[in-house]
Order: sequence, then C-alpha cells, then structure tokens
Amino acid sequence: DAGVIQSPRHEVTEMGQEVTLRCKPISGHNSLFWYRQTMMRGLELLIYFNNNVPIDDSGMPEDRFSAKMPNASFSTLKIQPSEPRDSAVYFCASSFVDRLTRTSYEQYFGPGTRLTVT
Amino acid sequence: KQEVTQIPAALSVPEGENLVLNCSFTDSAIYNLQWFRQDPGKGLTSLLLIQSSQREQTSGRLNASLDKSSGRSTLYIAASQPGDSATYLCAVRVSGYSTLTFGKGTMLLVSP
Repeated sequence: DAGVIQSPRHEVTEMGQEVTLRCKPISGHNSLFWYRQTMMRGLELLIYFNNNVPIDDSGMPEDRFSAKMPNASFSTLKIQPSEPRDSAVYFCASSFVDRLTRTSYEQYFGPGTRLTVT
Repeated sequence: KQEVTQIPAALSVPEGENLVLNCSFTDSAIYNLQWFRQDPGKGLTSLLLIQSSQREQTSGRLNASLDKSSGRSTLYIAASQPGDSATYLCAVRVSGYSTLTFGKGTMLLVSP
C-alpha cells in the first residue's frame, strides 16, 4: 500500500488567497483525521471523519476553514481566505475504527503539507 | 480534558547509551497509548501501541511501558544509534473510538 497520500507537499501563498489541501487515505480505512502542527501549539486535531461523515470538527479554528470527504478515498481541507497565522504543517491520517466494538486501530500519517502564507 | 506532557523537551546522548523518554497524562482512564516517531520534515510513524490492559510492548530495541494508575508511560531505547535521532511523541485515546491527544514530543539527538 502506498500509505496516506497528501498533496501538495509544499504550498506558498499570499494572504487572502484560497488554499486547498488534499488527502487520499489508506484503502480500507474508514476514518480520516486532519491535524495541524506548529512549534508553539504542537499537533492539534482539526477534524475527524468516520465513514465520510464529520464526527468531530471542534478543532477547526474558524469559519475560514472547511473540510469535505466526498468519498472514502478523498478528502480536502480548504482555507479561505488564508492568513499568515495559518502557516503550519498540515497532516492527514487514517485508521480503521470499528464502531460496533468501539475499537480504534493504529493511525497512519501522511507526509504532510507545509503551508506558508505571506 | 485530557492533557499529555512529555519531559524532557529535548535530549542529547552519545551513541550506545540506553535512554528513557517520559510521557504523562492527566486522566488515567485511557483506552490505549501510542508512541510515534517523527523525522524532520516528515510525517509521524507509529512505533508501539499499548492497550490499557497491557503493561508493556516491545519492538526490537524499543520497549514501552504503561502505568495507568500513575498516568505515565515510558519509552525505553536500548543501545541508541544516530539513526534514532528524531522527535518522539506519545498520544493517548480515552475511549475505543475517540481521537488521539498528543504530547508536544521529545526531540532526541544521538551523537556518534
């Protein structure tokens, strides 16, 4: 398996522009996570999908951020308009969660997208 | 709210030394705990997963222990090598299908 795939790997944009980050989870996984990592705040969960449905979006900073998962193999995180304080590394992760037995298995992370907003 | 703390934030050791990384969590009612490794500019790689019913897990030169009652986990690395240089993060899950709460990590440098 190719693992979790993210694109682009690096993104440099100007303040006010729209940014779209993409993620392809591991085939067979039913849960997808978007995280943001900064030196100051560490790794923060932004949103969590299970079976393509957003379960917990309490970590999404504000209305400028939105995430979608139209199918089991693709998700996007969009920032519109972007601001310099959004500069961070954004990670996507996937895992299998069995809601019947309430069991979560290991999360696998993608390589991340380094976003710089000038 | 569960909080995870890792001490020290950075650690530098000579090659060959055995070392221990610490992780503490505020709520002892966890479901499992996971240790990750992060190389510079890369994503996280899962090292070990310990279920709440387990006391330890081993993988090669790595051994992770869990003491739920005291809210602590340790990652023991035997005979450290320069290739072990990375940031090590621990994360806890409070229920079977809750999300992970991460510590800020310990940055390890093993010098030859």
